[in-house]
Amino acid sequence: GQQLNQSPQSMFIQEGEDVSMNCTSSSIFNTWLWYKQDPGEGPVLLIALYKAGELTSNGRLTAQFGITRKDSFLNISASIPSDVGIYFCAGRRTNDYKLSFGAGTTVTVRA
Amino acid sequence: GAVVSQHPSRVICKSGTSVKIECRSLDFQATTMFWYRQFPKKSLMLMATSNEGSKATYEQGVEKDKFLINHASLTLSTLTVTSAHPEDSSFYICSARRTSGRAGGIDTQYFGPGTRLTVL
Repeated sequence: GQQLNQSPQSMFIQEGEDVSMNCTSSSIFNTWLWYKQDPGEGPVLLIALYKAGELTSNGRLTAQFGITRKDSFLNISASIPSDVGIYFCAGRRTNDYKLSFGAGTTVTVRA
Repeated sequence: GAVVSQHPSRVICKSGTSVKIECRSLDFQATTMFWYRQFPKKSLMLMATSNEGSKATYEQGVEKDKFLINHASLTLSTLTVTSAHPEDSSFYICSARRTSGRAGGIDTQYFGPGTRLTVL
């Protein structure tokens, strides 16, 4: 599928800090998904977004479906060591059952 | 969240042998499953779409005779890597598509834990 533009590629953060990452696309999407992958594991779904402008939280995670339907962001508040991992965004275009993925954001937390 | 299992979690085989990987959706029915391949520090690369009761749809560049897919039931898809060679060594991940069945409703993919294949 089409590659999404995900940034930043990696980040080192202090424990307790807030983290923000985003994905953009040149195409309109009707679904945005955010996953977290730990080493040697499969991606785990964090948040699913289905409506433009939708803002959804899951614990310390908050994600938004951009109003233009071409972008989405994920925020992690008050980061903790277990937030370490690779975060992927994924999107689906209308009438397409396949997902497009971002390249991932690697998060490393300094204690 | 929905649960998808994969078996085996890791396999080591000799060059020339075939390896079968199973993907099961444990708490929902999935008419569509997907098989991905992931290289180190890279994103997921879709190999094929597995459709229950019909032939799989392969992405461009993926050899259908080498990567055999069978989706015999609504909860099970299998990927068989035939005549495996060292270049087939990789992390293979399946996902199962879960939908609400209505337009504009839930439509997402839940991933299995992955299978690490090493071909000697």
